[in-house]
Amino acid sequence: QLMVTQSPSASASLGASVKLTCTLPSAHAAYAITWHQQQPGKGPRFLMRLDSDGSHIKGDGIPDRFSGSSSGAERYLTISSLQAEDEADYYCQTWDSDIRVFGGGTKLTVL
Amino acid sequence: QLHLQETGPGLVKPSATLSLTCSVSGGSINNKTYYWGWVRQSPGMGLGWIGTTNSGGNTDYNPSLKSRVTISMDPSKNQFSLKVSSVTVADTAVYYCARWGAPTFWGPGILVTVSS
Repeated sequence: QLMVTQSPSASASLGASVKLTCTLPSAHAAYAITWHQQQPGKGPRFLMRLDSDGSHIKGDGIPDRFSGSSSGAERYLTISSLQAEDEADYYCQTWDSDIRVFGGGTKLTVL
Repeated sequence: QLHLQETGPGLVKPSATLSLTCSVSGGSINNKTYYWGWVRQSPGMGLGWIGTTNSGGNTDYNPSLKSRVTISMDPSKNQFSLKVSSVTVADTAVYYCARWGAPTFWGPGILVTVSS
């Protein structure tokens, strides 16, 4: 069954770095995902598409502080030099021929 | 730059049909490369995929909603629409339309409340 798993919460200090994880089932380890940011009270914003080899395509205007990487069935979003406005929910999403699924989201708190 | 905008009633009565339209500007929905769809977010919850369609006639739905959902396209108006039948309070949510791809484009969302 296609699904993606995310930790419910994460926290890091202002100016530090944080790495969020999105886990695919092992049978779907080759799948690409997309990362989306949702700031409080706002709609989702596309951050990047991330492939299994770690290559990624970012959305327009997404700062260089946001980067993606992959290892096996894990997909990562790293945010460096954390700023207050990075406090948000982060969702990963994947798809197959006839279905799309979102992870439950990770709520990032910037301390 | 592609822009999407959801429109429709903000209040729907229980057992009625929820109908929303997504108007697209800055690009054609007739481009078979891309898929267009709907996502919803219940209060305090995460994002949930409703369904996806494209101009090639391919339409897929979340199995949990499939019996109540219809997504259709109107290329002449550059719009696509969502209908959810037999709604209950559990269908209260912000509904987003989106164009899938890299990048994915999102509409701003519309709150639909199901209440008598």
